[in-house]
Amino acid sequence: KAGVTQTPRYLIKTRGQQVTLSCSPISGHRSVSWYQQTPGQGLQFLFEYFSETQRNKGNFPGRFSGRQFSNSRSEMNVSTLELGDSALYLCASSNADRAGDYGYTFGSGTRLTVV
Amino acid sequence: EDKVVQSPLSLVVHEGDTVTLNCSYEVTNFRSLLWYKQEKKAPTFLFMLTSSGIEKKSGRLSSILDKKELSSILNITATQTGDSAIYLCAFHSGYALNFGKGTSLLVTP
Repeated sequence: KAGVTQTPRYLIKTRGQQVTLSCSPISGHRSVSWYQQTPGQGLQFLFEYFSETQRNKGNFPGRFSGRQFSNSRSEMNVSTLELGDSALYLCASSNADRAGDYGYTFGSGTRLTVV
Repeated sequence: EDKVVQSPLSLVVHEGDTVTLNCSYEVTNFRSLLWYKQEKKAPTFLFMLTSSGIEKKSGRLSSILDKKELSSILNITATQTGDSAIYLCAFHSGYALNFGKGTSLLVTP
């Protein structure tokens, strides 16, 4: 069965621009979470969606937003990009109604570079 | 504030050695503790632990949770060069995984 698919794999953007990243979870998984990974901060939670509803949000500014569609695919958007937004953005899916009861499967991520 | 601390931060061993990676946590609402292996990009799931004292095993890897000590260990026996990776520990407190900074393991031939 197909894993978690993230597109694009790589992105280079200029400061001030905005970017949209996409994540297709494993078929049947309704929970999609987004994480930002940087060398200094490690993996940090951005937000989690379940059945098109944002259930929780991490400690990131409002420039970071997301949504989930009825087919469980999710997008995250970063507006007014800053150099510090350069990171690996990872998406994870789970088939748990109750978060934490099952492991998460991660995608390969989108490497965003802001110049 | 919830936090996860992993030790050591990095480790270099020879093939065949046994390694023990440590993870300690301070959380207000614990649901489960997970271990992941990250080689290039996608962290791959290793174990999820919810009950204290019950060891989980998969081949040469094993892990156990100690809720009294708020810690977990990941053991790798007879290490191979393919075990070289970053090992991530995370706890789940509700709707998110809270990760430690990881342990970078290098297994030399």
